[in-house]
Amino acid sequence: GEDVEQSLFLSVREGDSSVINCTYTDSSSTYLYWYKQEPGAGLQLLTYIFSNMDMKQDQRLTVLLNKKDKHLSLRIADTQTGDSAIYFCAETLHGSSNTGKLIFGQGTTLQVKP
Amino acid sequence: GAGVSQSPSNKVTEKGKDVELRCDPISGHTALYWYRQSLGQGLEFLIYFQGNSAPDKSGLPSDRFSAERTGGSVSTLTIQRTQQEDSAVYLCASSLGLAGVIFFGPGTRLTVL
Repeated sequence: GEDVEQSLFLSVREGDSSVINCTYTDSSSTYLYWYKQEPGAGLQLLTYIFSNMDMKQDQRLTVLLNKKDKHLSLRIADTQTGDSAIYFCAETLHGSSNTGKLIFGQGTTLQVKP
Repeated sequence: GAGVSQSPSNKVTEKGKDVELRCDPISGHTALYWYRQSLGQGLEFLIYFQGNSAPDKSGLPSDRFSAERTGGSVSTLTIQRTQQEDSAVYLCASSLGLAGVIFFGPGTRLTVL
């Protein structure tokens, strides 16, 4: 079935690297996304990776995609207290009835300790 | 506009009343989505519009929920005879076509008393 799994909680110290992991099910996903949600706010698009890529780097963010294992990770270098938020992994579903539909993980709460 | 906008940002209503939530997608985006975020259910897909095609309504939880998109731009999500379990944050998103990257608005927090 359609399922995206994430660990629920991660705690790191300021300045350390954070790695948030996600597994997904649909091998035909076009994009895989990472969204960030701060308390009381909407979903901020953090980064995304096209399914024909293995890695994408954007400043402090590195996304790794392992299509064989259907595993996606987000690495945040030099984590800051402002990075504390919930991070959602999402995959797009395709098919005649699912085009463009996002399936989200449960979200990983990142706690950054000073 | 620069991003997806939604109004109102907060809505408090009494059980049994109807509510309308509005979404303005990013200019030029042909695909528009509604999602719901609640404590017990996480992020759920509700409905999807793409151009002039018939919308994908497969995520609407009951016939009290409906949505329309006028002129291929603004969308309104209507909830009739609201129930307490409808309390959630309703998120709108848009993308440039079927394969475009999906951007979300700030959401409308609905509280049904």
